[in-house]
Amino acid sequence: QVQLQESGPGLVKPSETLSLTCSVSDGSVSSASDYWSWIRQPPGKGLEWIGYIYHSGTTNYNPSLKSRVTISINTSENQFSLKLTSVTAADTAVYYCARETRAAYYDPSGFHNAPYMDFWGKGTTVIVSS
Amino acid sequence: DIQMTQSPSSLSASVGDRVTITCRASQSISGSLNWYQHKPGKAPTLLIYAASSLQSGVPSRFSGGGSGTDFTLTINTLQPDDFATYYCQQSYSFPWTFGQGTKVEIK
Repeated sequence: QVQLQESGPGLVKPSETLSLTCSVSDGSVSSASDYWSWIRQPPGKGLEWIGYIYHSGTTNYNPSLKSRVTISINTSENQFSLKLTSVTAADTAVYYCARETRAAYYDPSGFHNAPYMDFWGKGTTVIVSS
Repeated sequence: DIQMTQSPSSLSASVGDRVTITCRASQSISGSLNWYQHKPGKAPTLLIYAASSLQSGVPSRFSGGGSGTDFTLTINTLQPDDFATYYCQQSYSFPWTFGQGTKVEIK
């Protein structure tokens, strides 16, 4: 059973950079079949996908955050990280890391990948406040 | 972005009830739809992937269906442990997007 654990400061000042790390155990960030994701949930709101990284360093970000987000990977430490610059109160949220893997299915339109996030960390609360 | 709309936003049900939650996508997503259960202070857990595939270890009272734009999550014989918030999520087109959630409460 893959386990993920988020860590990082719980309080960040406005305009500064939020930095979080996700440590993976009983699994490997070097896996060829998996992607490593960040998701967040602002207070009282739903879930928002931030982006993911592959072991090769390939990333994919939510366009709504793309100008401020960097996700990196450290295969030797079996960790991946999130940096979000120029934070505001709107970035206050519970931040989750997760593993994304893929299934495949066929329908009349052809072959499809069906990515899904099967293991999640418990989340870490980040408050943006001076 | 593909918008995901769940209904209802909340519901009250009793242990033993059958509950159905619907999720509608703003455009066709074929079968690239996942369902998660989320309890306060805990990690979300995957219930259903690819619209109808039951994740390993998830009780068989959970089932998913649908394709294209309309999907359902059904919980047969609701158990005390099932009171939680449920989210659908599309993985057909970037960025991945979630529904707003359906909170299942005890009647």
